[in-house]
Amino acid sequence: AQSVTQLDSHVSVSEGTPVLLRCNYSSSYSPSLFWYVQHPNKGLQLLLKYTSAATLVKGINGFEAEFKKSETSFHLTKPSAHMSDAAEYFCVVRNYNNNDMRFGAGTRLTVKP
Amino acid sequence: DTAVSQTPKYLVTQMGNDKSIKCEQNLGHDTMYWYKQDSKKFLKIMFSYNNKELIINETVPNRFSPKSPDKAHLNLHINSLELGDSAVYFCASSGRGGAFEKLFFGSGTQLSVL
Repeated sequence: AQSVTQLDSHVSVSEGTPVLLRCNYSSSYSPSLFWYVQHPNKGLQLLLKYTSAATLVKGINGFEAEFKKSETSFHLTKPSAHMSDAAEYFCVVRNYNNNDMRFGAGTRLTVKP
Repeated sequence: DTAVSQTPKYLVTQMGNDKSIKCEQNLGHDTMYWYKQDSKKFLKIMFSYNNKELIINETVPNRFSPKSPDKAHLNLHINSLELGDSAVYFCASSGRGGAFEKLFFGSGTQLSVL
């Protein structure tokens, strides 16, 4: 079965500094991986996705993620945090056979002025 | 046009009551889901239907019963509501291939059981 583990429940950075949100996956197949963001009291929004094309995936709002098969990782990064990035971030893995989409436990990103 | 719409947005009810949440998608997707988000923001899949057929049924109390009258609708009925059912419930849909390989979420239903 597919699963993802988000290694940090909470990450705090200063505005203007880099962001790193870590995600490791477990999958029997070549996975499809996603990052979603949820701002306070809002629904979920897709940031980016990996579906076996380029291993470095660029998303919205300056975020990107790199698929590393050798490390079974799909970490989310951004060079410079903005106050508006404060939100909950979810790493998701998809089972191609039945479209099962499994969420990680989430990482809360706090951005300090 | 809202892609995935769920109603109601807020639901406040007493313990022991029965309630339903409705979900509709106009994206032509084959797969629909119900997720539960608890107070710690953990999103957990409850059910998934593909073309009206149940394909994922996680360890959810049988008080929860999904119903899919057609592939554009997936409703969630909850019997004998309990305090622990209080959460935000999200409906979602997904297609296959290219731009459709992602989840489209409804705006959520905040259920409060008193």
